[in-house]
Amino acid sequence: LAKTTQPISMDSYEGQEVNITCSHNNIATNDYITWYQQFPSQGPRFIIQGYKTKVTNEVASLFIPADRKSSTLSLPRVSLSDTAVYYCLVGAYSGNTPLVFGKGTRLSVIA
Amino acid sequence: DAGVIQSPRHEVTEMGQEVTLRCKPISGHNSLFWYRQTMMRGLELLIYFNNNVPIDDSGMPEDRFSAKMPNASFSTLKIQPSEPRDSAVYFCASSPVPTSGGLNNEQFFGPGTRLTVL
Repeated sequence: LAKTTQPISMDSYEGQEVNITCSHNNIATNDYITWYQQFPSQGPRFIIQGYKTKVTNEVASLFIPADRKSSTLSLPRVSLSDTAVYYCLVGAYSGNTPLVFGKGTRLSVIA
Repeated sequence: DAGVIQSPRHEVTEMGQEVTLRCKPISGHNSLFWYRQTMMRGLELLIYFNNNVPIDDSGMPEDRFSAKMPNASFSTLKIQPSEPRDSAVYFCASSPVPTSGGLNNEQFFGPGTRLTVL
């Protein structure tokens, strides 16, 4: 499984754009990059996934460069409710070899 | 759909007692995962099932831990005897896996069971 590295914590003010970068130098050809969000006292929640270039949904955008050795989760105009832990996972689950959750990035949004 | 259902939501027990945690996955999902989360160790995968069959239990910390999935709609995680170091939040998650190849990295987590062993 590809190892991921992401910052332990980040702080941001409300209304700002937040970018969380994840390094995954040994990503395999079949691997996808998946991000989860975990609010306090809740289980993690899938927010976005991509293979290459850019993916956007109603929650976030995911930017993946051509070499795929890193990825950046972008949260536009964060609010206090975006305070959570964000996990970057790399892999391709098809019934075996589940993805591994690291320690994640703890994002604190300040008013 | 009600999502993944876990019970109980909170459990307080004394050292040495048996603890049973329960999980009902989302209907139609054929993979089920049990996780444990603590501040020190983060989110750890304990065991996972595919089509009710345990695939990998290498994350189960000791023989005191056991898990079963008697059918597609129910799974249990049992700790016997429990110890204070087992105190954690235990999550169950389920996922639909394509039967004809393909992949799915999206897991749906339950609300968790907060276990305190005194």
